Amino acid sequence: GEDVEQSLFLSVREGDSSVINCTYTDSSSTYLYWYKQEPGAGLQLLTYIFSNMDMKQDQRLTVLLNKKDKHLSLRIADTQTGDSAIYFCALKTGTASKLTFGTGTRLQVTL
Amino acid sequence: DGGITQSPKYLFRKEGQNVTLSCEQNLNHDAMYWYRQDPGQGLRLIYYSQIVNDFQKGDIAEGYSVSREKKESFPLTVTSAQKNPTAFYLCASSIRGAADTQYFGPGTRLTVL
Repeated sequence: GEDVEQSLFLSVREGDSSVINCTYTDSSSTYLYWYKQEPGAGLQLLTYIFSNMDMKQDQRLTVLLNKKDKHLSLRIADTQTGDSAIYFCALKTGTASKLTFGTGTRLQVTL
Repeated sequence: DGGITQSPKYLFRKEGQNVTLSCEQNLNHDAMYWYRQDPGQGLRLIYYSQIVNDFQKGDIAEGYSVSREKKESFPLTVTSAQKNPTAFYLCASSIRGAADTQYFGPGTRLTVL
C-alpha cells in the first residue's frame, strides 16, 4: 500500500515562512491534498493539486509537487499564530475514492 | 448552513457495550467515510460508502459496522468486538468525481471506561 511520511514537528517565528513536507511511495497518485486540524476539531481542507501540476498558489499558501522525487510541500507565507495546528497531506490513488493520509506535522508558531 | 454534523461530541462507554456515532450531511454528497484518529497518527479508514445501500470495508473495519439507508446519513457502530475503541472518530463526505475532495465533520471523541 501507499506510504506517506511527514516530519512530526515544525516551529517557526511569526512572520516567517513555514514549509511542511510530505513524501510518498505510490507514483500513481492523482490528487494530493493538504488539510489543517486545530485541537479537538475536524480536518479543514486547505488546498489540493492535480498530479499534472507542479505548483499551485492560493493566497498565502503555495503547494509544490515534485513527482520525480515523490515529494509534496506546503509553504505558508507570513505565518501567523492562527496557523498553529496539525497539517496533514493526503493522496488519492487511481479511481478509488479513498485517501491515504500522512501522519501529520504539528506547526508551532512562536512570537 | 450546509455541512457535516457529528454527534455527540464526547461519548463515554463501558467495556462490552455497543455504541453508535451519528454522521449527517446536507451537502448532497454521494460518498461518505469514517476514519479513526489516534494520538500521533494519521487517519485510518474504517468504512466508506459511495452510494446508498452500499458500503465497503476500509483498512481497519474489524469491530465496527455501518449502514447507509439514506444519502444524508452514515452511522457508525462501535461494537464490543473492537478491542481498543478509545479514539477520535471523524466522518467525511465527498461528491463523486475526479478529485473526490473530502470534507470533514467536527469529530466524536469516544472514551471507553
